[in-house]
Parts: sequence; structure tokens; C-alpha cells
Amino acid sequence: GAVVSQHPSRVICKSGTSVKIECRSLDFQATTMFWYRQFPKQSLMLMATSNEGSKATYEQGVEKDKFLINHASLTLSTLTVTSAHPEDSSFYICSAVDGYNYGYTFGSGTRLTVV
Amino acid sequence: SQQGEEDPQALSIQEGENATMNCSYKTSINNLQWYRQNSGRGLVHLILIRSNEREKHSGRLRVTLDTSKKSSSLLITASRAADTASYFCATDAAGKLIFGQGTELSVKP
Repeated sequence: GAVVSQHPSRVICKSGTSVKIECRSLDFQATTMFWYRQFPKQSLMLMATSNEGSKATYEQGVEKDKFLINHASLTLSTLTVTSAHPEDSSFYICSAVDGYNYGYTFGSGTRLTVV
Repeated sequence: SQQGEEDPQALSIQEGENATMNCSYKTSINNLQWYRQNSGRGLVHLILIRSNEREKHSGRLRVTLDTSKKSSSLLITASRAADTASYFCATDAAGKLIFGQGTELSVKP
């Protein structure tokens, strides 16, 4: 079946630094990828939708200059949390859509801790 | 933005009992999906029900969908301690998947 690889699984960074999270579709071409954020004991909140070769579409309230999304190829999307602050500490999960089957496949998530 | 409202927020049952979780949503959908998440981990896709379907089964899972009421339910029969997890409904509409608030299920042995 479709597999999405997300790296790193855990990252700790200092306040003010930037962190990049990668999301790769391993055995299919992902026409669309999604990025979600999940705070403890809460649900997944959609942050943005990215389509290969075009700018990401951000959900209301998500700062596009803080959460940079690049979808440079059909198998790779990256989320960069810029100038991270402790309140950005969260679980980030990506999802990729197989353009053929139109199924959603999720990565295993990245736990970001900003200290 | 969140589309789905789920209830209950938390459910505690004994092993062997059935667990029912409900989900309501606001807009038209293509399909509705249920996911499971163990604490601090990734999502596991459980079942998908299309907007033109009313009921679907998969093993011990039974999902219903009522598009007139914009609601769905997930029934887990003969629950096991290993079913302890958070369960989320997610609606597929307008080219994206939006999650409900989730139900935290605890199955006591």
C-alpha cells in the first residue's frame, strides 16, 4: 500500500531557530500534501494544503511566513517552522493524496519541542 | 477549521462491551472516514464510508452515515483493552480532510 515517510520523528530545538520537517511519498506520486498540527489531547488541525509546483494554501489563522511549505516535487513536501517559539511545540503530521486512488496516507508525525 | 463535533469526548467501558462514538459535521461531504490514534502516535485509517452509503462493516467495526442529519457513528463491538485509543472522524470535502474533535476511548480489562 501507499507509504508516507516523515522525518524527523522527534526534534528538539532552541527558541529562535528554524526546523525543517520532511514528508515523502515512497511509492506513489502525491499531487497534494497536507500539513496538520496537533496539540496534546486535541484533534488534528489542518494548517495548509500544498500542491506540487504551486504555492501552499494556508488555513485561516496560520501564519504563512512562520510555517513555510515547499512542495518541490511529486514525492516531497517540507514544512519549515521559522523562528520557533515554545508555543510552536506540537505534533506535526503530514498527509499525501495519491492522485490515482485519491486516498489519504499519513506520515507517522514529528514531535517538535522548542526549548 | 474544525468541521466535526464528536461525542462523547471520553468513554470508559469494560472489556467485552460495545463502544459507540458519534460524529456530526456541517457541510456536504464526499466521504467520511474514521481514524484511530494511540497516544502520541500516528493515525491508523479504520474505515471510509461514502456519501451515498448508509452503513459499512469491517471486522468488529460498524459505521453508519446519515447525510440528512449530517452525522455518523462508529460502533466497536466486543471491545478489547487494545482498543484503548483516541478515535477521530474526518470529513472529506472541498479537496481536504477535516478532523473532528475526537473521542478518547478507554477499555478496562
